[in-house]
Amino acid sequence: QSVLTQPPSASGTPGQRVTISCSGSSSNIGSDNVNWYQQLPGTAPKLLIYTNDQRPSGVPDRFSGSKSGTSASLAISGLQSEDEADYYCAAWDASLNGWVFGGGTKLTVL
Amino acid sequence: EVQLVESGGGLVKPGGSLRLSCAASGFTLSSYSMNWVRQAPGKGLEWVSSISGTSKYIYYADSVKGRFTISRDNAKNSLYLQMNSLRAEDTAMYYCARAPQLVGPSDYWGQGTLVTVSS
Repeated sequence: QSVLTQPPSASGTPGQRVTISCSGSSSNIGSDNVNWYQQLPGTAPKLLIYTNDQRPSGVPDRFSGSKSGTSASLAISGLQSEDEADYYCAAWDASLNGWVFGGGTKLTVL
Repeated sequence: EVQLVESGGGLVKPGGSLRLSCAASGFTLSSYSMNWVRQAPGKGLEWVSSISGTSKYIYYADSVKGRFTISRDNAKNSLYLQMNSLRAEDTAMYYCARAPQLVGPSDYWGQGTLVTVSS
């Protein structure tokens, strides 16, 4: 059971916009920043969004993040086949003194 | 170019020990906190441990506290994870990851080293 809650799956067709939610509590998302990671099949995770809504260099602006209260969202617009991956949210938990991850959302591009 | 290369994984019996290493290059290791994150086969990511740049601050997940020890040698550009009293549930790919701050995002990840705990 993950501390952060994500839907296990999401899907969309090429060109569509999809969103992935991440729900936490006051000790993690409610009090600290959220980061999102993309894990393509068979590869290591890659930082996709940091500090709620910032994109590292090289990440397309089709990816965007937001946070409100104890929840966060990742949005992917103009969906492409190469976006098919697992997506994880993460936040520092002040009660646990450690990082907590969502269970991951498997995105399928139909 | 930032590179993180893990090594030391393998097959070990329950109750055994392993020491993982992470060789860092392309940046000044002492300026960064480092994390170990693991992923059991077919499962999600699980944070294991974090260490600040000077080793002043160290944190562990409850699932490994008392059994695993994180350490670093900045002069050797290396991060370590000593794993004792291994259990079947420790079977996972172990990734090392760099973080600009202890509570900051992991901006670079290694490719991982596989640890299998089985009799």
